[in-house]
Amino acid sequence: GQNIDQPTEMTATEGAIVQINCTYQTSGFNGLFWYQQHAGEAPTFLSYNVLDGLEEKGRFSSFLSRSKGYSYLLLKELQMKDSASYLCAVREWDTDKLIFGTGTRLQVFP
Amino acid sequence: DTGVSQDPRHKITKRGQNVTFRCDPISEHNRLYWYRQTLGQGPEFLTYFQNEAQLEKSRLLSDRFSAERPKGSFSTLEIQRTEQGDSAMYLCASSLGRTGVSETQYFGPGTRLLVL
Repeated sequence: GQNIDQPTEMTATEGAIVQINCTYQTSGFNGLFWYQQHAGEAPTFLSYNVLDGLEEKGRFSSFLSRSKGYSYLLLKELQMKDSASYLCAVREWDTDKLIFGTGTRLQVFP
Repeated sequence: DTGVSQDPRHKITKRGQNVTFRCDPISEHNRLYWYRQTLGQGPEFLTYFQNEAQLEKSRLLSDRFSAERPKGSFSTLEIQRTEQGDSAMYLCASSLGRTGVSETQYFGPGTRLLVL
C-alpha cells in the first residue's frame, strides 16, 4: 500500500527554526520531493532527495533516510512569508506519478 | 510563474454540464500530468502523458473524465456530466521526461472548479 504521513499543522515564531517530518510507505521509491503551497496557489518545488543524507538550499534543507522511510524539511530564519502548506511527495519506482501527503500547514507568528 | 499555464483559472458550472480545461506545459517538457486537489488534502494523481501517449490513468479517473494531448504539446481534461463531488482544484504539471531520471514536476496555477 501507499501511505505518507506528515503533521497536519505546525506553528512557529519569526526567526526560529522549524522541522517538518514526513514518513512514507510505498510500493517502490524513486525520490522524495518537498513542495510549498500558499493558499489558493499551485505547489512550488522546494527540494528533492533520492539518496540518504541532507540537501541544503539556502534557508531550506531536506533530509532523507530510505531505510527508515523518513524525511524532514528544515526551515531556518523563518519569515512571515513562509506561512504556507508544505507537501511531502514520493515518486514511485515503476511509475512517474507523485504520491502526496496531506500537507503540513505552517503558521509563522511575529 | 513556473512556465506551466492553465485555462481557465476558475470555472463555475451547474451539475450535469460538461467542462473542459486546458494546460500548456513548459515547451521542452515531454511529460504532462494531471492532479486533483480538494481542500485540506494533497494533490491526487489522475493521469499522465509521455508526449502524446497517455501512459497511466488513476482509478479516480471515472468514465466521465477524459484527457488528451493530441500533438504532444498542450493537454485538455474534460469532465462530462459534472457532479458536485468534482468540485476541486485541477492541477497540471510537466517535466522533461527523460527515461530513468527522477525529475522535478513543475505545476501550473490550477483550475478551480465549482459544481453547483
